[in-house]
Amino acid sequence: ETGVTQSPTHLIKTRGQQVTLRCSSQSGHNTVSWYQQALGQGPQFIFQYYREEENGRGNFPPRFSGLQFPNYSSELNVNALELDDSALYLCASSLNIPILSGYTFGSGTRLTVV
Amino acid sequence: SQQGEEDPQALSIQEGENATMNCSYKTSINNLQWYRQNSGRGLVHLILIRSNEREKHSGRLRVTLDTSKKSSSLLITASRAADTASYFCATAPNYTGANSKLTFGKGITLSVRP
Repeated sequence: ETGVTQSPTHLIKTRGQQVTLRCSSQSGHNTVSWYQQALGQGPQFIFQYYREEENGRGNFPPRFSGLQFPNYSSELNVNALELDDSALYLCASSLNIPILSGYTFGSGTRLTVV
Repeated sequence: SQQGEEDPQALSIQEGENATMNCSYKTSINNLQWYRQNSGRGLVHLILIRSNEREKHSGRLRVTLDTSKKSSSLLITASRAADTASYFCATAPNYTGANSKLTFGKGITLSVRP
């Protein structure tokens, strides 16, 4: 059903380590948004990339960074991992301005920090 | 921060019954969207209603929007066990500049008993 692919599906890291999460957006989509979803909560906006440029950022520290590549795939990098970074990380893609249409979400990466 | 607040937080109904979920929000919106999430995986876009619309239908789904009360409701008619999931409302702000993003509520857990 979904054209957005995220990898890996699950990941366990130690506090202080760094992690890179990957997202392949749906074909034809040029905008990627990343969300963090803690257990029992709604998704929280991390940042958005449009045509390889950051196009908005939520209330997350600079150790959360991202990239979007010419093929519109994207990476989320988190440095100096903290226990509270344990969450489901969701990537969503859309064509142009996503808030005027629905997002297509990937299945997410479950990150556990121990 | 959460923009949408859904209620109830949890809903349990019998198969065949209707399920009504509500969402309230705080600021001016361009549109409001509803998503479904199964077992902590990716979100699936269900329906979008624009600020100048009052009601919208899609299959067994009916969404209403009351901008004067800053509230929306999602009605699922003739529910099925497969409708068991978490449901989220998300609001799109009434501007499309940088930092424009979908803001999600905490979600409603719907259980449909066979």
